Amino acid sequence: EPEVTQTPSHQVTQMGQEVILRCVPISNHLYFYWYRQILGQKVEFLVSFYNNEISEKSEIFDDQFSVERPDGSNFTLKIRSTKLEDSAMYFCASSLGPSGAGETQYFGPGTRLLVL
Amino acid sequence: QKEVEQNSGPLSVPEGAIASLNCTYSDRGSQSFFWYRQYSGKSPELIMSIYSNGDKEDGRFTAQLNKASQYVSLLIRDSQPSDSATYLCAASPEGFQKLVFGTGTRLLVSP
Repeated sequence: EPEVTQTPSHQVTQMGQEVILRCVPISNHLYFYWYRQILGQKVEFLVSFYNNEISEKSEIFDDQFSVERPDGSNFTLKIRSTKLEDSAMYFCASSLGPSGAGETQYFGPGTRLLVL
Repeated sequence: QKEVEQNSGPLSVPEGAIASLNCTYSDRGSQSFFWYRQYSGKSPELIMSIYSNGDKEDGRFTAQLNKASQYVSLLIRDSQPSDSATYLCAASPEGFQKLVFGTGTRLLVSP
């Protein structure tokens, strides 16, 4: 069964450093997402990506964040200068169509980011 | 602010009982609703989706949607200890692609 994969599973970084989180969405999916979940809190939407551009982003997704689909399979989230409060589990998700039309988002296993 | 509200629990039920999980949402234009299960330290895993008013059954799970009351529920019949997890309710607001998640309800099924 196709699944979303993410690397690395864990990342420890120093405050102010750049990190890149990588995702391989399900191959025939067209919509890609990043969410984060701070320990003990709800899953929060960061950004959605469709047709090679950002289609929606949240207030959390400020200038420190960027996304890219560098090739036909990978989808990346870059945090330019990490802060302590960026420590969270980051989930990538993908869907065949928009969720507003009823399409399911499938989540990857997540990358746990710890900023020291 | 588009929000999804859930009781954080824990909801404790004995093995074999019916677990009833509830969720309300604020955006009346939301059309699609999803129940995900999340084990500790793991990613959300889809249980069921529902778009139309009424009930939708899939095995031991039944989702119920009442758009007039802005209420979604999930019933788990014959609960098993392996069902112990946090259940996340998510809504997709009209015109958006994102999912808005509730805080989740922690379910504990005791043997």
